[in-house]
Amino acid sequence: DAMVIQNPRYQVTQFGKPVTLSCSQTLNHNVMYWYQQKSSQAPKLLFHYYDKDFNNEADTPDNFQSRRPNTSFCFLDIRSPGLGDAAMYLCATSRETSGGENEQFFGPGTRLTVL
Amino acid sequence: GDSVTQMEGPVTLSEEAFLTINCTYTATGYPSLFWYVQYPGEGLQLLLKATKADDKGSNKGFEATYRKETTSFHLEKGSVQVSDSAVYFCALGYNFNKFYFGSGTKLNVKP
Repeated sequence: DAMVIQNPRYQVTQFGKPVTLSCSQTLNHNVMYWYQQKSSQAPKLLFHYYDKDFNNEADTPDNFQSRRPNTSFCFLDIRSPGLGDAAMYLCATSRETSGGENEQFFGPGTRLTVL
Repeated sequence: GDSVTQMEGPVTLSEEAFLTINCTYTATGYPSLFWYVQYPGEGLQLLLKATKADDKGSNKGFEATYRKETTSFHLEKGSVQVSDSAVYFCALGYNFNKFYFGSGTKLNVKP
């Protein structure tokens, strides 16, 4: 089945220790997104790639970076995690259509714990 | 700007009860509207969608109609099951651009 895969599902890191979260997709979608979701809140968009074009949200901290080496993979790098960065990180994809049916397909998420 | 407002939860119902979760939106353009469902510890799954005014989205017994005159996209189900217990998010979106999510409504269904 075509899908969005996130690894690992659970990640524990130490305060200030860089961490990388991974997302891959078999949908061949040209747009990939990273969201941060804290408990009982809506997902918050951090940035997205439209093909190779990177689009950062204005309020995304510099501590968060992303890489998309090819269509299938996208990485979220947190350079110096703080306690406030503990959250669920969701990857999503969508594809360009002419019909406006632009739903986003989400992965299962990576739960990040910062000690 | 664009935004989505959902009714606050949690909503607690008995099995086979009728469900309505209200969602209203503010939009600067002509977005598509979506309902997503999130089960504990999981990502979001698309439940249904509508791409233009008066469209009705439906899936697994859930329905929602895109009403431009009332700027609403309320989610309904005639008879809920325990397995429907989850968090439901209303969202609006434009082509390959950011989604605007509501704050989510937690549904608890008791046997």
